[in-house]
Amino acid sequence: QVQLVESGGDVVQPGRSLRLSCAASGFTFNTYAMHWVRQAPGKGLEWVALISYDGLNQYYAASVKGRFTISRDNSKNTVHLQMNSLRAEDAALYYCAKSHGGNYKYFDNWGQGALVTVSS
Amino acid sequence: EIVLTQSPATLSLSPGERATLSCRASQSVSSYLAWYQQKPGQAPRLLIYDASKRATDIPARFGGSGSGTDFTLTISSLEPEDSAVYYCQQGTNWLTFGQGTRLEIK
Repeated sequence: QVQLVESGGDVVQPGRSLRLSCAASGFTFNTYAMHWVRQAPGKGLEWVALISYDGLNQYYAASVKGRFTISRDNSKNTVHLQMNSLRAEDAALYYCAKSHGGNYKYFDNWGQGALVTVSS
Repeated sequence: EIVLTQSPATLSLSPGERATLSCRASQSVSSYLAWYQQKPGQAPRLLIYDASKRATDIPARFGGSGSGTDFTLTISSLEPEDSAVYYCQQGTNWLTFGQGTRLEIK
């Protein structure tokens, strides 16, 4: 059974950095692309970043490009999101999500989320 | 960026009724559209992908249709547990979501 467990959520000041992690189990991790998707309190869903199964390719939403970095460690079945220069609008519940099948298009399993609060 | 517009914003129906939720794309997404269900305090769950294919373990009462710019999620006979927010998402040009439709079961 697929399990995704996020960690690292915290309260941080604007301009500071934070690193989220996602521990994966129950599937062959190194054969699936992985995503981060966020949801601001009471709002809808926003895709944030994607990393290919081998870690060689990363893609970002325009709202975070240049500030966030997605990475993965296939030896540890983990994916990370390094968030720099955080802004108030980055405050959200960040979900780790597994790609559906062999493509990047959809998300078929989600974690329960890591809460990031950006406040001075 | 492809914008997805969902309608209605809120839908209130009784158990056993049929629900029809719409999603319109600002440009063609071919059939690369998915639907998700999100209940309060829970992560989203994939219901439909490629516009009409049911995901694993999704009941047959959930159906998807459409292509190009207009898509529909149909729940044929509502159950109380179908109360949730439903999001559409396109996978053609980057990845974007609609703003959601809240479905209330009376």
